[in-house]
Amino acid sequence: EVQLVESGGGLVQPGGSLTLSCAASGFSFNTYWMHWVRQAPGKGLVWVSRINSDGTITTYADSVKGRFTISRDNAKKTLYLQMDSLRAEDTAVYYCARDLFDPWGQGTLVTVSS
Amino acid sequence: QAVVTQEPSLTVSPGGTVTLTCGSSTGPVTSGHYPYWFQQKPGQVPRTLMYDISKKYSWTPARFSGSLLGGKAALTLSGAQPEDEADYYCSLSYSGTRIWVFGGGTRLTVL
Repeated sequence: EVQLVESGGGLVQPGGSLTLSCAASGFSFNTYWMHWVRQAPGKGLVWVSRINSDGTITTYADSVKGRFTISRDNAKKTLYLQMDSLRAEDTAVYYCARDLFDPWGQGTLVTVSS
Repeated sequence: QAVVTQEPSLTVSPGGTVTLTCGSSTGPVTSGHYPYWFQQKPGQVPRTLMYDISKKYSWTPARFSGSLLGGKAALTLSGAQPEDEADYYCSLSYSGTRIWVFGGGTRLTVL
């Protein structure tokens, strides 16, 4: 079964940092591009970042560029999102998704608050 | 960054037909934007319905179809069912900048 499981969410103070992980199973992780997408409580979906299969090409939404870093470890079949200089507006459920946006993980909640 | 626009809300009668649209602030939506459509029900993870304008996944009900219509991507639901009541999002790829942008979503009510 193709599966993505996010972890690492939690409560962090404004200006703080957090790293999310997305563990993949059931498919050849090292052959797929991967996305991060977030959804603030009661709001819509927002694309965050994308990385190519070998980790050499990364792109970001303007709202997170320079603060977030996407990366991957193909040996561990794991996708990461390093989030620095966090703001209240970064509060959201963060989903990872395989390319073609299928499947999605169940999401992990990040709350930025003092 | 481009803005992707969707109708905030639509209502369709059971058994009826409705079309949701997805526009781009940069101009007409084309096949080069690789439009996607997603369905999200309350408390659930989004589910991808359609990709590359009109390609379906194995779980996509036949009553959903995708197209380009009047410079926008369109998702048409023919024969609406109560279980189709959900939020629907589209996304477009902007290959020049290699980014994706989601629309604000359409809340579809079947009533």
